[in-house]
Amino acid sequence: DTGVSQNPRHKITKRGQNVTFRCDPISEHNRLYWYRQTLGQGPEFLTYFQNEAQLEKSRLLSDRFSAERPKGSFSTLEIQRTEQGDSAMYLCASSLQTGWETQYFGPGTRLLVL
Amino acid sequence: GDSVTQMEGPVTLSEEAFLTINCTYTATGYPSLFWYVQYPGEGLQLLLKATKADDKGSNKGFEATYRKETTSFHLEKGSVQVSDSAVYFCALNNAGNMLTFGGGTRLMVKP
Repeated sequence: DTGVSQNPRHKITKRGQNVTFRCDPISEHNRLYWYRQTLGQGPEFLTYFQNEAQLEKSRLLSDRFSAERPKGSFSTLEIQRTEQGDSAMYLCASSLQTGWETQYFGPGTRLLVL
Repeated sequence: GDSVTQMEGPVTLSEEAFLTINCTYTATGYPSLFWYVQYPGEGLQLLLKATKADDKGSNKGFEATYRKETTSFHLEKGSVQVSDSAVYFCALNNAGNMLTFGGGTRLMVKP
């Protein structure tokens, strides 16, 4: 049973550039979540999908952020016009059908905006 | 809204010492409670969970009991090892959707 995978693991970009991250969940998991973790803090929820439907978005998810899960399998998180405040670890998690199931996390993508 | 408060770290212990990491929560309803662990350079791993009041979660010698009357879910281990050095996160799931995390507590165990 392969776990949740995320690519790239690290990304350095210049302010104003666009970046895209990919998450591949555990294969039989219907739910997929995105979180953001800044240094020394706990993860904060961004958004989640049930299959291909995006069901909830946090107020943290500004208009510059967009997430997709087009075929209900992998997901992408895009940040447009990056800002230095976007520097963080972006975590993906997946779970079985209902939200009460355990969420399994990937290793994260660390973003540094210069 | 929901929130989780953990004791601030770092917590530094000698090997074989007793560990307690305090966690309290604020939530309406009946959340499920979790402890996740993050080892250096790795992702979050579920350590244990409890889904209703008075449930005890346990794994790898760690335990935590869901106390609704005190809204707490303190993590304990009787004898820590150097390999337990990591950051520990308490979290709750109240609506069957996202997790709400505490700020994390770094544990350092010295030989």
